[in-house]
Amino acid sequence: DTGVSQNPRHKITKRGQNVTFRCDPISEHNRLYWYRQTLGQGPEFLTYFQNEAQLEKSRLLSDRFSAERPKGSFSTLEIQRTEQGDSAMYLCAGGDFYEQYFGPGTRLTVT
Amino acid sequence: DQQVKQNSPSLSVQEGRISILNCDYTNSMFDYFLWYKKYPAEGPTFLISISSIKDKNEDGRFTVFLNKSAKHLSLHIVPSQPGDSAVYFCAALPTGAGSYQLTFGKGTKLSVIP
Repeated sequence: DTGVSQNPRHKITKRGQNVTFRCDPISEHNRLYWYRQTLGQGPEFLTYFQNEAQLEKSRLLSDRFSAERPKGSFSTLEIQRTEQGDSAMYLCAGGDFYEQYFGPGTRLTVT
Repeated sequence: DQQVKQNSPSLSVQEGRISILNCDYTNSMFDYFLWYKKYPAEGPTFLISISSIKDKNEDGRFTVFLNKSAKHLSLHIVPSQPGDSAVYFCAALPTGAGSYQLTFGKGTKLSVIP
């Protein structure tokens, strides 16, 4: 158990709806990462925060996606106007060096 | 273009024998490498890492070897146990570029047969 928690664990939504996921890392993790994983692929980087500053963003993070880490603790990832192609496992990870410790993920299904 | 490649989608090994999982990379900026294990419906679990200044790192039953000139690394598990059955991902970081963006391979599914 890495101590990283994610909620909800599963989300089913209709196309066009907005969804928000939450990640709670452990307090020692000053870096927080978001990844997306689809079937048969490895996780793909979306974005990362050092404390409350968002320092890297992937080109995968379209303008429908927004992530925040308002107080340098928990983080939220919002997807607006969901599309079927957004169906995936969304993974959050925390760390304070190079190693990244993943939570259990949120499985998103867009119908 | 895939920068981290795991060319074997699956591997079967008898319990007690050695499992060898391979990984190749193309980006010469990668200088820190990690292996993760993933069970279904769970997030990846960190196993072991290696910096490019080393060619070997060992942790219990797990050893990672790095061949920089060949841009190749491998994970050895000895002895293999049925609980090791999972998907293993190789991942790489370009720390010298100041990036913490992990690039993953597609994974190798290891089955350890009792």
